[in-house]
Amino acid sequence: LAKTTQPISMDSYEGQEVNITCSHNNIATNDYITWYQQFPSQGPRFIIQGYKTKVTNEVASLFIPADRKSSTLSLPRVSLSDTAVYYCLVGDMSGDDMRFGAGTRLTVKP
Amino acid sequence: DGGITQSPKYLFRKEGQNVTLSCEQNLNHDAMYWYRQDPGQGLRLIYYSQIVNDFQKGDIAEGYSVSREKKESFPLTVTSAQKNPTAFYLCASSPRTFYEQYFGPGTRLTVT
Repeated sequence: LAKTTQPISMDSYEGQEVNITCSHNNIATNDYITWYQQFPSQGPRFIIQGYKTKVTNEVASLFIPADRKSSTLSLPRVSLSDTAVYYCLVGDMSGDDMRFGAGTRLTVKP
Repeated sequence: DGGITQSPKYLFRKEGQNVTLSCEQNLNHDAMYWYRQDPGQGLRLIYYSQIVNDFQKGDIAEGYSVSREKKESFPLTVTSAQKNPTAFYLCASSPRTFYEQYFGPGTRLTVT
């Protein structure tokens, strides 16, 4: 099973770029990497998904090195509303490996 | 208006009673999931279903049961065998397993 490791918490300031790294040393060939954002008392919200290299959408970028043993979620110019818990998931499309870790609690300060 | 709904938002039960949590989606998604979240913790997978009339246990299925008789519905029953049922329960759906999951608003269950 592909296990993920993330920092428990991070602090940042408004307007800064935030990079959250997820370690997944035993990622399998068929595994994808997915990131979610969760606010208190709400369900998580999908941010981005990738397999290798770099993926970018309107809210974030995902960087995956060639060995795929880690990935980095990059949030450009964060605001107070980006304060949330961010989860990294690794798994294949079979669904047999659906696991949310403890996540990273990001606090954005003014 | 497409989405995934859970009801009720808050639920209170006495210990020893079974309780069923509702989850409905009109997104035409094949896969549906149930998660449990305890305070300050991540999500733990209870059950998931990839197609109608089929479902698989997740990491913490003991004390829970599900059914998937219709594509749009995936109710979760918390039985009296679940030792610590008080938690926040989240239902999700996705077009296929492990694709982008869409989450409902959650049901907060309190058992006393």
